[in-house]
Amino acid sequence: EDQVTQSPEALRLQEGESSSLNCSYTVSGLRGLFWYRQDPGKGPEFLFTLYSAGEEKEKERLKATLTKKESFLHITAPKPEDSATYLCAVQALEDTGRRALTFGSGTRLQVQP
Amino acid sequence: DTAVSQTPKYLVTQMGNDKSIKCEQNLGHDTMYWYKQDSKKFLKIMFSYNNKELIINETVPNRFSPKSPDKAHLNLHINSLELGDSAVYFCASSQVDRANEKLFFGSGTQLSVL
Repeated sequence: EDQVTQSPEALRLQEGESSSLNCSYTVSGLRGLFWYRQDPGKGPEFLFTLYSAGEEKEKERLKATLTKKESFLHITAPKPEDSATYLCAVQALEDTGRRALTFGSGTRLQVQP
Repeated sequence: DTAVSQTPKYLVTQMGNDKSIKCEQNLGHDTMYWYKQDSKKFLKIMFSYNNKELIINETVPNRFSPKSPDKAHLNLHINSLELGDSAVYFCASSQVDRANEKLFFGSGTQLSVL
């Protein structure tokens, strides 16, 4: 069974204090790993898709990296508006036709001014 | 314009009742989904519809039934509601043939069964 574990569960940073969020996964053949951002009372918002080990994607202060066992979401010089829950999800090759994603429980990030 | 909209935002009801949640997408996507987010924040797939055909049903009780009148709508009907059904339900959509796959989510329906 596919599994996604995110750590830490919660993270509090000062504005400008860089850090990384971890997503460890086990899947029977990875088709893609996805990062989403979720604000309170809203649905998840897509950030990145990574398809193969060594791949990196960047968007503003966020950078996602992928290895064969885990992904990191690096946050450089965060601002209070980066506060949200960050969700990681995987799609197995065998699930490609069914489009199913397996999500982790997320990391709640709070950035204080 | 909201890409994926679902109603109602909040739904409070008694055990045993039947309720529906509506979802509409204006993105022209050909696949729509229902996800359930439990108290621990795990999002789990319930159903997906592709061109009006059900292609996923992940061990969901048959009290839950998706209804898709057309490609832009996927409603969720729940019979005989139970306490354990309390959760946030998210509708989502995607386009199957795009390489950079991403789901667009609605803002969620918080269901509370009393």
